[in-house]
Order: sequence, then C-alpha cells, then structure tokens
Amino acid sequence: DIQMTQSPSTLSASVGDRVTITCRASQSISTWLAWYQQRPGKAPKLLISKASNLESGVPSRVSGSGYGTEFTLTISSLQPDDLATYYCQQYNSFPYTFGQGTKLEIK
Amino acid sequence: QITLKESGPTLVKPTQTLTLTCTFSGFSLTTSGEGVGWIRQSPRKALEWLGIIYWDDDKRYSPSLKNRVTITKATSKTQVVLTLTNMDPEDTATYYCVHRQTTIIVGAAFDIWGQGTTVTVS
Repeated sequence: DIQMTQSPSTLSASVGDRVTITCRASQSISTWLAWYQQRPGKAPKLLISKASNLESGVPSRVSGSGYGTEFTLTISSLQPDDLATYYCQQYNSFPYTFGQGTKLEIK
Repeated sequence: QITLKESGPTLVKPTQTLTLTCTFSGFSLTTSGEGVGWIRQSPRKALEWLGIIYWDDDKRYSPSLKNRVTITKATSKTQVVLTLTNMDPEDTATYYCVHRQTTIIVGAAFDIWGQGTTVTVS
C-alpha cells in the first residue's frame, strides 16, 4: 500500500495568513492526488484533484501543487471559513489511501 | 445535481453482517466513466477506502478487509449495496458512499460524498 504522510498534524494561524500543508507519498504517484476539506460534523469535500485542479466553486485562494512524492496545499489568505481538517488522498493505485489529516485552527 | 445517501442499521453485534445501501440520483451507474465507492471514518478520525464499483460492474476492494467486503448494484439501478461480514468493534465508524469523478481513466477522485451513516458494533 502507498503510505500518505501529512504535516503538520495541527496548524494554528491567523486570518489573512498564508498556510501550507504538505503531503508525502511513500512512492511516486505522479499527480494522482486529491485534497479534501472536512468541516466539523460534515462529510469531506473535494477541493483539488490531480494535484492542482481546483474544483468548481472552491475559492481561488486555495491551490495545490506537486508531483511524484511531495505535494502541497496552500491557502493564500486564511479565512474563518477555512476552519477544518484537510486530507490528502492518492488514487494512483489500489488500495486508495489517505493521509492522517491536518487540523487547521484559527487563532 | 448528484446526491447520495446512505441507509442501514446504526447498531450491529460482533460477528454479524452489515448491509448498507447507497441511494443516488443525478447520474446513471450504467454510463461509461461512472463509479460509486465506499469510505469509512473511524472514531480515530482516519479515512479508509473500502472499495468501488464501476459502470461496467468491475469492482475493486481494500485487501485489508480480507474478503469481508462486497459491493453490488441493486436491481433498482439507483442503489449500491455494501456488505461487510463478521463485524468487529474495530469496524465502528461513519460509512460514506461517494461518487467518483466521471472519467474512463482508472484513477479519479471522489467529488460528491453522502452525508454518512454511523455504525456502532457492540
């Protein structure tokens, strides 16, 4: 199985800050990577697919990048609405696997 | 607009078989490129992919479930059924039914999620 490792596990930042979450795969997954946002008590929501493709309706302050084994999710200007846990997921090969999550807190 | 909703028991006993139904709308699972998967989230908050069924009835399962899991299309054409045998307290989780991005390429993210249904094994 491909292991997905996210860092940090928890991130505390202020409104307006630029925040970056990293996801590392245990082997190359090309750009077969998705990012999800899970707000408290809700189902995850797809933000980005294929490492950098922003889903319709997702604010442009959110972006993704990376290739191979290292990927990043960036929020350019943190908003209160961004309070959530973020997960990466690889879909390069079965079984699909997720990172352990990064909990984003607003200071 | 694509929607999915999970239904089934909220409490099962150890060794019993869990059967969950996903009722969906907004797409046809007979259309090329479509797929419905199942993902669960344990109280530890980890997300775990369980399996997926495709428009052509191809299926993939998580090896970690050791042949306990089966995903099938129901005769209704708008439902997918997840069966998980020999339930254990470790299977306590919220189970999500998910729609796969429509593409004939094998790899695709999950663009629409159901609200989830919580199952406790005790």
